[in-house]
Amino acid sequence: DAKTTQPPSMDCAEGRAANLPCNHSTISGNEYVYWYRQIHSQGPQYIIHGLKNNETNEMASLIITEDRKSSTLILPHATLRDTAVYYCIVRAGVGGFKTIFGAGTRLFVKA
Amino acid sequence: DTGVSQNPRHKITKRGQNVTFRCDPISEHNRLYWYRQTLGQGPEFLTYFQNEAQLEKSRLLSDRFSAERPKGSFSTLEIQRTEQGDSAMYLCASSSVDRGLNEKLFFGSGTQLSVL
Repeated sequence: DAKTTQPPSMDCAEGRAANLPCNHSTISGNEYVYWYRQIHSQGPQYIIHGLKNNETNEMASLIITEDRKSSTLILPHATLRDTAVYYCIVRAGVGGFKTIFGAGTRLFVKA
Repeated sequence: DTGVSQNPRHKITKRGQNVTFRCDPISEHNRLYWYRQTLGQGPEFLTYFQNEAQLEKSRLLSDRFSAERPKGSFSTLEIQRTEQGDSAMYLCASSSVDRGLNEKLFFGSGTQLSVL
């Protein structure tokens, strides 16, 4: 699975959009981009995933660049409960979820 | 759907003792994963099962670690002769894979192991 690079931490004001970037320049054509988040003392929680098209669900939007070498997770109206570590992961569709999560981005949402 | 359940939530043991953790996955999920997470790091893959078959083990999984999923439902992770370096959060996750090969992991809250 391709490696990803994320900033170690970010701040966001409550009610504003949080835009979390991820670089995955070595991504292969069959690899998906997944986002998970982990709130303190809990296991990671699935947010969204995509292959090449932009995706949106009730939690977030995922914007993948045309060359697929980077992506952005958007939380449209961040709340204090969105404070968490956000992991960007790239993996192929087969072979099990053996990917490395990395250290992620620690998002602080401030009142 | 009660989610993925892990027991115990916390375990404190002395070096050299054996410990066993249990994971109950979401009932219809056929895949079950074990991960280990240390402070400030993301989860690291240890092993996974497809039904009762253990398909892959990470190099992180030393001979002191063994995992089972005897009937393709719950799983246990045993650590023999624990060492202080085994102190970590042990996470279990389950999933099902759809025809599009999309796979979403659902994690439990983990078992925090402290080896004194």
